[in-house]
Amino acid sequence: QQQVKQSPQSLIVQKGGISIINCAYENTAFDYFPWYQQFPGKGPALLIAIRPDVSEKKEGRFTISFNKSAKQFSLHIMDSQPGDSATYFCAALPSGGATNKLIFGTGTLLAVQP
Amino acid sequence: ETGVTQSPTHLIKTRGQQVTLRCSSQSGHNTVSWYQQALGQGPQFIFQYYREEENGRGNFPPRFSGLQFPNYSSELNVNALELDDSALYLCASSGRDRNSPLHFGNGTRLTVT
Repeated sequence: QQQVKQSPQSLIVQKGGISIINCAYENTAFDYFPWYQQFPGKGPALLIAIRPDVSEKKEGRFTISFNKSAKQFSLHIMDSQPGDSATYFCAALPSGGATNKLIFGTGTLLAVQP
Repeated sequence: ETGVTQSPTHLIKTRGQQVTLRCSSQSGHNTVSWYQQALGQGPQFIFQYYREEENGRGNFPPRFSGLQFPNYSSELNVNALELDDSALYLCASSGRDRNSPLHFGNGTRLTVT
């Protein structure tokens, strides 16, 4: 069964600190790895994404690190701010499919304390 | 640019009833996907529509069905509602390319009692 495992389930970080969320997959080839941010009462919004031919991608304070051999990828939020408090989902797109069906992780609830 | 809009925002139904949820795509998008998000979980793919045809389906029973209209708006229909169908139902629109980013609406919160 296609699956993406995400950890930790919840995370508390002080303002200005680094938030790190990890995801891992197994048994299936994926070729696109987006991260989504979801605020309460809202739908998920695309934050940043990476393809497996790249080991790192940075956009502002957000960085994705990708380890293809270990089948792991992670999101780093530098200089975390209270406004970053939200639920973060990693996701993966199975390769070879005709649809953009995403497999989502179970989410990480991030709380950034002022 | 108009984003993805869903209606209604909240809905309460009784077990065994039927429900229809609606979604208007973001302008310029011709593909619509539906996801179910149970409380505390990540979204799960239900199905995707392109050119009014279903072109991909997740692990959901046939009582989950959908439609896409010529203006790319979409409906999700669920028959014979069960308690476990209580969830946030998310619609996402995108371009045709499989790598096209998904743009989600804010969802419909369905409660089945």
